[in-house]
Parts: sequence; structure tokens; C-alpha cells
Amino acid sequence: DAGVIQSPRHEVTEMGQEVTLRCKPISGHDYLFWYRQTMMRGLELLIYFNNNVPIDDSGMPEDRFSAKMPNASFSTLKIQPSEPRDSAVYFCASSLGGTGYSYEQYFGPGTRLTVT
Amino acid sequence: DQQVKQNSPSLSVQEGRISILNCDYTNSMFDYFLWYKKYPAEGPTFLISISSIKDKNEDGRFTVFLNKSAKHLSLHIVPSQPGDSAVYFCAADAGNMLTFGGGTRLMVKP
Repeated sequence: DAGVIQSPRHEVTEMGQEVTLRCKPISGHDYLFWYRQTMMRGLELLIYFNNNVPIDDSGMPEDRFSAKMPNASFSTLKIQPSEPRDSAVYFCASSLGGTGYSYEQYFGPGTRLTVT
Repeated sequence: DQQVKQNSPSLSVQEGRISILNCDYTNSMFDYFLWYKKYPAEGPTFLISISSIKDKNEDGRFTVFLNKSAKHLSLHIVPSQPGDSAVYFCAADAGNMLTFGGGTRLMVKP
């Protein structure tokens, strides 16, 4: 298995532009998570899906952020319009999940976003 | 409001010695704890975990200890190797959602 795949690996964009980050989870995993890592706030959960349905988006910072999971093998995180403070590394992770525990989450390599 | 804290941003250890990484939490609802290791330009990878019903879990050179009364867990690596140099995150779970600490950068010197 190729693991969790994220694209692009690096994204540089200008303030005000729309940014779309993509993720392909591990086949068979029921849960998909989007995280953001910054120096100030560390690794924080933005949103997670179970069986393609958003379960908790309380970590999404603003309405400028949106996430979708149209099918079990693909998810997007969109920022529109982007701002310099959105600059961070965005990780996607997936897991088998279940009730009770998160189980082991497998992370993708991340997308480093720079908004100028 | 940080529910999971790693108070040491960095730690330097000599090869062959023990590395001890610490983590404190405040939410008593957390019932499962995990450690992740992260190399530069890579995503975090799972290392070891422990359920709240246990106080110790061992896997090779890695042992995690949990002190529920103190709301404290630690990761012991012995013997430490240069390849262990990475950022280590502790994470706590209260049901399908992980809360991560800020990470500790471990440097193992040859």
C-alpha cells in the first residue's frame, strides 16, 4: 500500500487566491482527518470524516476553510480566500477507527502551504 | 487551552543512554495515549500507545509509562540511537479524536 497520499507537497500562493489541498487515504480506512501544524499552535485537528461524512469540524478556523470527501478514496481541503496566516503544513491522516479509540492514525507527508 | 503539554521543546542525549520524553494532560476523559515520531518533511508515524487501564507498555527499545493520578505519561527509549533523532509528539484520545502535544525534539549524539 502506498500509504496516505497528499498533493501538492508544496504550494505557494498569493493572498486572496483559492487553495485546494488533496488527500487519498489508505484503502479500507473508515476515518479521515485533516490537521494543521504551525509553530504557534503545534498539530491541531481541523476536521474529520467517518465513512465520507464530516463528523466534527469544530477545529476549522474560519468560514474560509471547507473540506469535502466525495468518496472513500478522496478528500479536499479548500481555503478561499487564502491569507498569510494560513501558512502552515497541512496533514491528512486516515485510520480504521471504530468506537472508543482512534486507533493508529497513518499520516501523509503533508502539504507545506505558503501564502504571500 | 492546551489539554496536552510537552514542556520540553528539546532534549539532547548521548548514544546508548536513556532518553525520557514527558507529557502532561489535563482532561481526565482521555482514555488512550499514543506517541508519534516525526522526521523532517515527513508525516508523523505511530510509535507506541497505552490504554488508560494500564500503567506500562513496552515494545522493544520503547516503553511508555502512564501515571493517571498525576495525568502524566512518559516515553523511555533505551538504548538511544542516532536514528531516533526526531520530533516526538504525544497524543491523547477521548473517542476518535486525537489531541496532540507541541512536540519534543530529540537529538541523539553519536
